[in-house]
Amino acid sequence: EVQLLESGGGLVQPGGSLRLSCAASGFTFRIHAMSWVRQAPGKGLEWVSAIGGIDNGTWYADSVKGRFTISRDNSKNTLFLQMNSLRVDDTAVYYCARGSGSPHWFDPWGQGTLVTVSS
Amino acid sequence: EIVMTQSPVTLSVSPGERATLSCRASQSVDSNLAWYQQKPGQAPRLLIYGASTRATDIPARFSGSGSGTEFTLTISSLQSEDFAVYYCQQHSQWPRTFGQGTKLDIK
Repeated sequence: EVQLLESGGGLVQPGGSLRLSCAASGFTFRIHAMSWVRQAPGKGLEWVSAIGGIDNGTWYADSVKGRFTISRDNSKNTLFLQMNSLRVDDTAVYYCARGSGSPHWFDPWGQGTLVTVSS
Repeated sequence: EIVMTQSPVTLSVSPGERATLSCRASQSVDSNLAWYQQKPGQAPRLLIYGASTRATDIPARFSGSGSGTEFTLTISSLQSEDFAVYYCQQHSQWPRTFGQGTKLDIK
């Protein structure tokens, strides 16, 4: 069974940093692109960042470019999102999602981890 | 960036009836369109990809159609578990973008 389990969320002050992790199991992690998608409270879905499988290319939404860094450790089947210079409007549930197909869609998704940026 | 627009924002339908949800892209995405279902407190779940292909274990009452800029998700006979929020998403180019969602509620 494919599983994605996020961790690392919590409360952080504006300007602070946080590192999210997503532990993957049940599939060949290294060959799949992976993404982070977030959802602010009561709002819709916003794609944040993606990293390629074989090529490790990276992509970012304009809203996080220069502040967030996506990375992966294929030896540990883990995806990361380093978030720096956090703002109040970064408050959201952050989901990791596996890229499937080409050009890829998102399937499945993890259960999410809540990041709250507040003073 | 491709802007995705869903309509209506809220749709009220009785159980057993048909629901039709629409999604429009600001430029052509060919058939690279996915639909997701999200229930309160849960992660989104993939329903449809490639505009019309049902994902694994998705019931046949869910169907997708369209190409280019106009897409439709149809639920043929609504069950109680289908009342949720539905999002379309283009998987044609970066950045991936979502519609704002359609909330399907019980009439």
